[in-house]
Amino acid sequence: NAGVTQTPKFRILKIGQSMTLQCAQDMNHNYMYWYRQDPGMGLKLIYYSVGAGITDKGEVPNGYNVSRSTTEDFPLRLELAAPSQTSVYFCASMRSLMNTEAFFGQGTRLTVV
Amino acid sequence: AQSVTQPDIHITVSEGASLELRCNYSYGATPYLFWYVQSPGQGLQLLLKYFSGDTLVQGIKGFEAEFKRSQSSFNLRKPSVHWSDAAEYFCAVGVADSSYKLIFGSGTRLLVRP
Repeated sequence: NAGVTQTPKFRILKIGQSMTLQCAQDMNHNYMYWYRQDPGMGLKLIYYSVGAGITDKGEVPNGYNVSRSTTEDFPLRLELAAPSQTSVYFCASMRSLMNTEAFFGQGTRLTVV
Repeated sequence: AQSVTQPDIHITVSEGASLELRCNYSYGATPYLFWYVQSPGQGLQLLLKYFSGDTLVQGIKGFEAEFKRSQSSFNLRKPSVHWSDAAEYFCAVGVADSSYKLIFGSGTRLLVRP
């Protein structure tokens, strides 16, 4: 049982480049989330989705875009990378609205230079 | 606004000593509360959760946490720390408004002295 899979694990981008962080889950979870983790700041919610075709902004959405065409996949797009987007990105999924916990991927460490 | 506060950025304890990590939350409704642990270079693993019922909850690896509504707290405890417990610990609250999401605290890094 793979759980939540993120790719790539590491990436270095130049300023202005674009990339997509991939996230896939095989648990048939409706809810999926993207967080970024910066030292001493905890995890901040970027975007989330409550099901295929439905996405919404979290606390720090600027500079990012998402899509949810299937239940399994929830990619995060960076269009014009900036040094402020250097961070560790975590994808998470959850089965239902209540009484469940979130399952996390292993993270993607992104550096923008 | 909903928030989670972990007032201790770092805590250092000796192996075998007891541990308490503090967590306070701000949320108007009945909270769903979680503790996650993150080992270096890894994702987050759930230690324990509180949804309702008994306010003292048991988790994995010998951890427990107590929900105190009057203090808006959900402190994590362990009676005897092992060197392998060195990690970063995150408290989170589940917030249900138009949807449902987890709000995290800034984390507490635990160092264990031999």
